[in-house]
Amino acid sequence: DAGITQSPRHKVTETGTPVTLRCHQTENHRYMYWYRQDPGHGLRLIHYSYGVKDTDKGEVSDGYSVSRSKTEDFLLTLESATSSQTSVYFCAISVGMTSTDTQYFGPGTRLTVL
Amino acid sequence: AQSVTQLDSQVPVFEEAPVELRCNYSSSVSVYLFWYVQYPNQGLQLLLKYLSGSTLVESINGFEAEFNKSQTSFHLRKPSVHISDTAEYFCAVSDHKAAGNKLTFGGGTRVLVKP
Repeated sequence: DAGITQSPRHKVTETGTPVTLRCHQTENHRYMYWYRQDPGHGLRLIHYSYGVKDTDKGEVSDGYSVSRSKTEDFLLTLESATSSQTSVYFCAISVGMTSTDTQYFGPGTRLTVL
Repeated sequence: AQSVTQLDSQVPVFEEAPVELRCNYSSSVSVYLFWYVQYPNQGLQLLLKYLSGSTLVESINGFEAEFNKSQTSFHLRKPSVHISDTAEYFCAVSDHKAAGNKLTFGGGTRVLVKP
């Protein structure tokens, strides 16, 4: 499972509050990703990182920010949560840097914004 | 940019019957193709991938997928399903040359295997 953990696993929050989700890996892989999963949409990329302090936007980045101060941790922040951000959030790592490499996924965080 | 369409959102199937999950993609560049599986309350796991060579790829648990370039398809099949195959299946593509190994996923197909 590539040693990926996510915390918290479940969270309920209210509209307008800030929320931070954490992804931790134990194997020092360079590439890390945040996806959201919604019915009918599959997984959509929010942000990704290709190294410490190196991040870039994905397909659905509006309303989200990320930080990576250590190789092993990739944080996803919702500055002011909205109900449209209710979703299941998955972190992933890539074992390599090319498009042939497999991505491994964490167990997910179920976020509900009331 | 790429897009992936999975034509069936749900597929009910009886145990020991065959199943086919359809995946079509659209891309202006060459892509690699993947199938991931998500068992209930878990993250995604790679099932199989097509990179190059033989257009038929197989997984260790009996699934196979065939890349058809002319039809831009990568359908997944299994000749005889088990109860344990109940899961959601996602087709995905990545750009041959783009940096970052970013995946574009289809909407998923939920397979329910009935006894």
